[in-house]
Amino acid sequence: EIVLTQSPATLSLSPGERATLSCRASQSVSSYLAWYQQKPGQAPRLLISDASNRATGIPARFSGSGSGTDFTLTISSLEPEDFAVYYCQQRSNWPRTFGQGTKVEIK
Amino acid sequence: EVQLVESGGGLVQPGGSLRLSCEASGFTFSTYSMNWVRQAPGKGLEWVSYISSSSGTMYYADSVKGRFTISRDNAKSSLYLQMNSLRAEDTAVYYCARDVRSGWYDYWGQGTLVTVSS
Repeated sequence: EIVLTQSPATLSLSPGERATLSCRASQSVSSYLAWYQQKPGQAPRLLISDASNRATGIPARFSGSGSGTDFTLTISSLEPEDFAVYYCQQRSNWPRTFGQGTKVEIK
Repeated sequence: EVQLVESGGGLVQPGGSLRLSCEASGFTFSTYSMNWVRQAPGKGLEWVSYISSSSGTMYYADSVKGRFTISRDNAKSSLYLQMNSLRAEDTAVYYCARDVRSGWYDYWGQGTLVTVSS
């Protein structure tokens, strides 16, 4: 099973600041990595697939990068609605696995 | 508009059974693979099971293998999860999720809560 480790666990930032979230895989997943956003009481929302492709309707301030084992989700300038929990997920191998999440909170 | 609506959750005793349903609308259900993903209270996301569009291929997480069975009825645009021998650690919100490009989940239902407790 591929283990995805996200860091940091919590990121405390102010609106307008840049957020950088990390996801590291226990073995190479090539570019088969996605990012999801989840707000309290809501289902997750797909943000990024294939490491760097924004999903339909996702603002350009969200960007993804990386390949192999190291990946980054960057939010260029935090909007109030971006404070949430973010998960990475791989589709390279079965079982599909998620990281444990990074909470982006208001400082 | 794509919609996924789960139902069937509730309180069940350890060792009991429950069947979850997910009714799909707004897209051609029969052409998409589907998944169940769960989230224990206050915890992260855990993929549970996958079924291909024609039901020819199914996968399960090791944590549920042999106890849960995924199925679908394309005529009814519905996805199911039969859960047997339930344990306390199965307590979670269960989401159905549409699968695109072999492993990304682009639409999710609102979830249904399963609580396993005596």
